Amino acid sequence: EVQLVESGGGLIQPGGSLRLSCAVSGFIVSSNYMSWVRQAPGKGLEWVSVIFSGGSTYYADSVKGRFTISRDNSKSTLSLQMYSLRAEDTAVYYCARVRVGGTWWFDPWGQGTLVTVSS
Amino acid sequence: QSVLTQPPSVSGAPGQRVTISCTGSSSNIGAGHDVHWYQQLPGTAPKLLIYGINNRPSGVPDRFSGSKSGTSASLAITGLQAEDEADYYCQSYDNSLSGAVFGGGTKVTAL
Repeated sequence: EVQLVESGGGLIQPGGSLRLSCAVSGFIVSSNYMSWVRQAPGKGLEWVSVIFSGGSTYYADSVKGRFTISRDNSKSTLSLQMYSLRAEDTAVYYCARVRVGGTWWFDPWGQGTLVTVSS
Repeated sequence: QSVLTQPPSVSGAPGQRVTISCTGSSSNIGAGHDVHWYQQLPGTAPKLLIYGINNRPSGVPDRFSGSKSGTSASLAITGLQAEDEADYYCQSYDNSLSGAVFGGGTKVTAL
């Protein structure tokens, strides 16, 4: 069964750092594109970052230079290291497998982990 | 402000046909990129509903269908059911942003 389970969310002060993890089962992380997508409370979806099977990484402008996506093939996990957190980074963060067929789409998604940036 | 524009809400009586529009630009939908749709039931994670304009993953009822024309796309629900009440998001790829883009979401209500 394909499953993605996020962890690592919590309450963090502005300027702080946090590392999110996504445990993957049912497929090989290193053979797939993987992404993080976030959703601020009561708001829509926002793509955050992607890591290609070859290791290339890309970020939304809103997080570029502050967030780092990575994967651990041996542990079948995807991670998102977040630095210099701001109030506007408050959101539920979802990890998702990226399907590619001329363009990207996301399937499946994890259940999400909530990050709250507040003093 | 989302890159793709959707109406905030649509509603219809059970059994009716409702459509959700998704308007983009020449750097995303108009550039030839496919449009995908997600359903988000209250308190849950998004779920893929339609991919590649009008392909349904296994398990998605055939009352859901998608289409695309020019810089816009649409999701149709034919025969609206109470269980279809959810938020729906369109998604594509944007050449200028070099990443995925979403619509702001549309809340569907069965009257």
